[in-house]
Amino acid sequence: GENVEQHPSTLSVQEGDSAVIKCTYSDSASNYFPWYKQELGKRPQLIIDIRSNVGEKKDQRIAVTLNKTAKHFSLHITETQPEDSAVYFCAARDLNTGFQKLVFGTGTRLLVSP
Amino acid sequence: EAQVTQNPRYLITVTGKKLTVTCSQNMNHEYMSWYRQDPGLGLRQIYYSMNVEVTDKGDVPEGYKVSRKEKRNFPLILESPSPNQTSLYFCASSLSTGGGDTQYFGPGTRLTVL
Repeated sequence: GENVEQHPSTLSVQEGDSAVIKCTYSDSASNYFPWYKQELGKRPQLIIDIRSNVGEKKDQRIAVTLNKTAKHFSLHITETQPEDSAVYFCAARDLNTGFQKLVFGTGTRLLVSP
Repeated sequence: EAQVTQNPRYLITVTGKKLTVTCSQNMNHEYMSWYRQDPGLGLRQIYYSMNVEVTDKGDVPEGYKVSRKEKRNFPLILESPSPNQTSLYFCASSLSTGGGDTQYFGPGTRLTVL
């Protein structure tokens, strides 16, 4: 089955810096890669996703890149703000199985200091 | 308001005392799932359901049961809870069983088994 590894487990940056979180996946059949943000005490919420037919996707200060050959994808946050502080989870799913089995990474705790 | 609700939000119980955590969604979603979140392990899928009366095991199903008698409800049952089931539980739903639909998470249930 699919296995998703996520690094780093914690990341501290200064406000205004960029942050990059990386994930690798094992199943080459996986073709959908969402990122979820979980603020302290809250539920995970989707912030961006990418499909395998696209190499990069951007939404304001957030971007995700995908390298299918290397089987890794990354979340990029530019001009970080204190409200970006949260735990971020990557996930991978094999859409070809016909059901929504999402496999999550172990999470990255991002701390943005003012 | 479109939402996923869970009850209770917090529960402290003792080993062996059967309990049920309810999950309900008002978005007419086909797909529902239960996850547990533990420090350093991310979100792991317990059970999922593709539609009414259709359920299947996720990655960590031992000690749990589910049922899907109505489209909107997907209760998680712990017949004989044990301390290793102390965790934060999330229910999630999405519109369909394929296509990369966003999963919407409930607010979470923090369970402590003494």
